[in-house]
Amino acid sequence: EVQLAESGGGLVQPGGSLRLSCIASGFTFSGYWMAWVRQTPGKGLEWVATISPDGSGQYYVDSVEGRFTISRDNAKYSLYLQINNLRAEDTALYYCAREKWSLFDYWGQGTMVTVSS
Amino acid sequence: DIVMTQSPDSLAVSLGERATINCKSSQSLLCRADKKNYLGWYQQKPGQPPKLLIAWASIRESGVPDRFSGSGSGTDFTLTISSLQAEDVAVYYCQQHCSNPFTFGGGTKVEIK
Repeated sequence: EVQLAESGGGLVQPGGSLRLSCIASGFTFSGYWMAWVRQTPGKGLEWVATISPDGSGQYYVDSVEGRFTISRDNAKYSLYLQINNLRAEDTALYYCAREKWSLFDYWGQGTMVTVSS
Repeated sequence: DIVMTQSPDSLAVSLGERATINCKSSQSLLCRADKKNYLGWYQQKPGQPPKLLIAWASIRESGVPDRFSGSGSGTDFTLTISSLQAEDVAVYYCQQHCSNPFTFGGGTKVEIK
């Protein structure tokens, strides 16, 4: 059974940083593109970043380019999102998701990031 | 960026009746030589992550009941629930996977009348 479990969210002040983690199981992690997708009540679902199976390619939505870094450790079946210089508009539930043709066929339960002073 | 617009925002349908959700893209989702529509549909129940229901505009994922069907091409797409069941109460989203950034519609909430 495919499972994805995120962690690392929390309350952080504007300008702060967090590192989100996602542990995968139930499939060959190194064979898949992986992504982070966030959800807010106001903006709905928003794709944030994608990483290639070997980690050599990373892609971001413009609003996070230069502030967020997606990475992975295939040996640890883990996906990461380093988020720096946080803004209020980054407040969201962050999901780790497995990609299939740039759709998202499995999702974790999400980890909440709240940016507030 | 490709803008995805869903309608209606919400609808209430009686059990056993048909529910129809529309999704319109700002650019054609026939974006490759393979003549496939790069459009997916998701279902999100309260407190749960989204679940992929349909890929390529009309191909059901494994295990998805056949009362769910997708149709359309180019810029106009439809998700139909042929006979609404109580467990289908959810928010439904479309998503284009034609080009980066991959964008979602705003969602349609389906309730029981």
